[in-house]
Amino acid sequence: AQSVTQLDSHVSVSEGTPVLLRCNYSSSYSPSLFWYVQHPNKGLQLLLKYTSAATLVKGINGFEAEFKKSETSFHLTKPSAHMSDAAEYFCVVSGRAGGTSYGKLTFGQGTILTVHP
Amino acid sequence: DADVTQTPRNRITKTGKRIMLECSQTKGHDRMYWYRQDPGLGLRLIYYSFDVKDINKGEISDGYSVSRQAQAKFSLSLESAIPNQTALYFCATSNGRPNQPQHFGDGTRLSIL
Repeated sequence: AQSVTQLDSHVSVSEGTPVLLRCNYSSSYSPSLFWYVQHPNKGLQLLLKYTSAATLVKGINGFEAEFKKSETSFHLTKPSAHMSDAAEYFCVVSGRAGGTSYGKLTFGQGTILTVHP
Repeated sequence: DADVTQTPRNRITKTGKRIMLECSQTKGHDRMYWYRQDPGLGLRLIYYSFDVKDINKGEISDGYSVSRQAQAKFSLSLESAIPNQTALYFCATSNGRPNQPQHFGDGTRLSIL
């Protein structure tokens, strides 16, 4: 079985300050992990993915995430927030090949990021 | 044009009505998915299809049915809508290769009165 917990339902930052969105996962296999972003009235856009090639993953729009197996975490960070980063963010785990969850995504509950001027 | 297109984008209907949500894709992907999104719950999988002849229930399939009319088309039906099916519905596709992400449509906002 696999699961994802996003530790904060809301995060509020000032423009130009760092962003940290926290995610812990549980998986029977070494997982694939993703971060998606959802802007209002839009679908989900892929920010970045981890597939075991490197533990520090760089994504679009200056976001990055670090896979820490010992902590079962995959936190999303950005050095300097921009107003356009305001959105809802989802941490997602995908079952690996050979597992019963292969090809299926399990979503966290979402974190709403607010950016103040 | 969007790679994954959902119609309608918005729908308001009454309890007991039959509703169909449609999804079409131009990505050439074999795999298609239907999710519903509720505030604070993330997205939950309703049904998924790994090819035209393969349909599988997700975690919350009760009250829903699907049809995979072609590789590019996957529709979701509510045979007799009820108010707790009010939600935002997303269609997604993937190419089936290991570790590849899913690609999402812009969603259908469904309200059942």
